[in-house]
Amino acid sequence: EVQLVESGGDLVQPGGSLRLSCVASGFTFSANWMSWVRQAPGKGLEWVASIKQDSSATKYLDSVKGRFTISRDNADNSLYLQMNNLRAEDTAIYYCTRNTARDIVFDYWGQGTLVTVSS
Amino acid sequence: DILMTQSPSTLSASVGDRVTITCRASQSISTWLAWYQQKPGNAPNLLIYRASSLESGVPSRFSGRGSGTEFTLTISSLQPDDFATYYCHHYNSYPITFGQGTRLEIK
Repeated sequence: EVQLVESGGDLVQPGGSLRLSCVASGFTFSANWMSWVRQAPGKGLEWVASIKQDSSATKYLDSVKGRFTISRDNADNSLYLQMNNLRAEDTAIYYCTRNTARDIVFDYWGQGTLVTVSS
Repeated sequence: DILMTQSPSTLSASVGDRVTITCRASQSISTWLAWYQQKPGNAPNLLIYRASSLESGVPSRFSGRGSGTEFTLTISSLQPDDFATYYCHHYNSYPITFGQGTRLEIK
């Protein structure tokens, strides 16, 4: 059974930093692109970042470029999102997602971890 | 960036109804479109990819159509479990963008 378990969400002040983690199990982690998708409270879904299987390529939403870094450790089946210079508008539930083998769609999602940026 | 617009924003329907949700792209995305269902407090669940391919395990009452800029998600006979919010997104290019969502509620 595929499982994605996020952690690291917290209350942080504007300008602060946070590192989200996602541990994957139930599939060959190194075989799939992985992504982060977020959802502000009561709002819709927003793709944030994606990373290729071997970390040779990354993609970012423009509003997080230069502030967020997606990374992975295939030996530990782990996905990360380092978030720096956080803004109030980054407040959201952050979901770790698995991309399907052939399409940039998200077939498995974690339960999400809440990031709140507020003073 | 490609803008995805869903309509309607809210849809009221009854069990057994046939309902259709529309998703329009601001430019052609071929068939690079997916649909998700999300229930309150839960993560989204993939329903359809490549505009019309049904994800494994998804009931056959769900179907998707379209290409280019206009797409539809149809539920042929609403079941109680189908009342939820539905999202489309394109994956023609980065950034991937989602529609704003369609809330399907019980009439």
